[in-house]
Order: sequence, then C-alpha cells, then structure tokens
Amino acid sequence: GAGVSQSPSNKVTEKGKDVELRCDPISGHTALYWYRQSLGQGLEFLIYFQGNSAPDKSGLPSDRFSAERTGGSVSTLTIQRTQQEDSAVYLCASSPTPGGLAGLGGETQYFGPGTRLLVL
Amino acid sequence: GIQVEQSPPDLILQEGANSTLRCNFSDSVNNLQWFHQNPWGQLINLFYIPSGTKQNGRLSATTVATERYSLLYISSSQTTDSGVYFCAVEGVAYSGAGSYQLTFGKGTKLSVIP
Repeated sequence: GAGVSQSPSNKVTEKGKDVELRCDPISGHTALYWYRQSLGQGLEFLIYFQGNSAPDKSGLPSDRFSAERTGGSVSTLTIQRTQQEDSAVYLCASSPTPGGLAGLGGETQYFGPGTRLLVL
Repeated sequence: GIQVEQSPPDLILQEGANSTLRCNFSDSVNNLQWFHQNPWGQLINLFYIPSGTKQNGRLSATTVATERYSLLYISSSQTTDSGVYFCAVEGVAYSGAGSYQLTFGKGTKLSVIP
C-alpha cells in the first residue's frame, strides 16, 4: 500500500490479557516509530527502530511492553497482562533512513491511522 | 526530564487570520519537531527544526535554541488547519549514539471558523 497501515484498527480486551498490535511501514522505509496517545498522558514516544534494531527501549512504559521488527519491515508491539491504564491510541510512523544522529528526526515521518485499544 | 510547554492551549481564528503558536522547553535540545493532528486523529510531521527558520507554504517555524523556544506561524489560516499542533523535543543531555527520545507538549488546539 501507499501509506503506513496498522492493525487492528480497534481492540477491546479484558484486563490481564495479552495484545499484539501490528504496523506495516511504507515500503523501503528503514526507520519505524511507535507512539501512544491517551487522555491522561497525552502523546508519548515509545520506541524507535532503525532496521530491525531498537537502540533505546527506555521509552516503553513498563516491562509488560515489548516490540520487535523483523525483515526491516513489519513491527509488532506486544502488551502483556494489559491494565486499564494501557487504554490509548497506539500510533506507528515510518521514515526513510535518517542520516546518523544529526539526521534522526530530520526525516519526515508518515503516520498510520492508529490502533485504538480499550482495556476493560 | 525535559519539560515542554505550549501556548496557547486553545485558539479560535477566523479564516484568513494569522497566528503564532509557541513552544517553550526547559533544556538544550538537538531535536525539535512540530506535528499537526487533524480532527480525525491523523498525525502529520510538519517541521524538524532544532534551530533556525524553515518555511513550507503558509506555515513557517523558528527555533531560538539559545532562548529555548520555538514558534510556529500560520498565515492566512484555512479551516483545514484546524486540529491540534504538538511540539516535541529531545534534550541534548539525553542524546546518545542512535538515541531518539521525544518529549511532547500538551498541544495547542486550533479551530479555524469560516
């Protein structure tokens, strides 16, 4: 497809269940970003991938959150033992290869439509 | 951690008017971006501007890094400019090789009325 796609678009789950969110970046984009947006916390950056590697995972809210990227393409964000405070819109973005540290953030990011997660 | 404050929190404009949105940050930055989220939730990356001035059509942005603020100018506003404008920064103190850690402000909600 032409843009970033995310699935599912909506997810309702029960507290304590695990969920997996998927992001398909624009073909050829090597950088991929996960964010979340909630009423209580606003917009938060979660994690960034360059290729399959995530240099810094400190933005993940807790050890229940993990993310991986395979083949330099699809990424999954997994939330284990979901809590009600995990309810949010999870946004994914991709961009072409940034040119080193100075270039990080300099490339335009293209956002997907988000996954709306509701934990009951 | 670094603090980001945006003002005003809400802004209502008549179509055709100009506006200035402000972003103040508490520490030196090497990454500052402006984003727009439309009323349907779609996010767009507007500018990467850790310093200096950039322009893109009716939008322009200026960051004065030494004084720790950035301004987003919208000229001849249109109803399609409505939405929330976010400023996000990464502090120099945080940055390391391969790092990317943005802190977002709470946004300015802009409503442009015809």
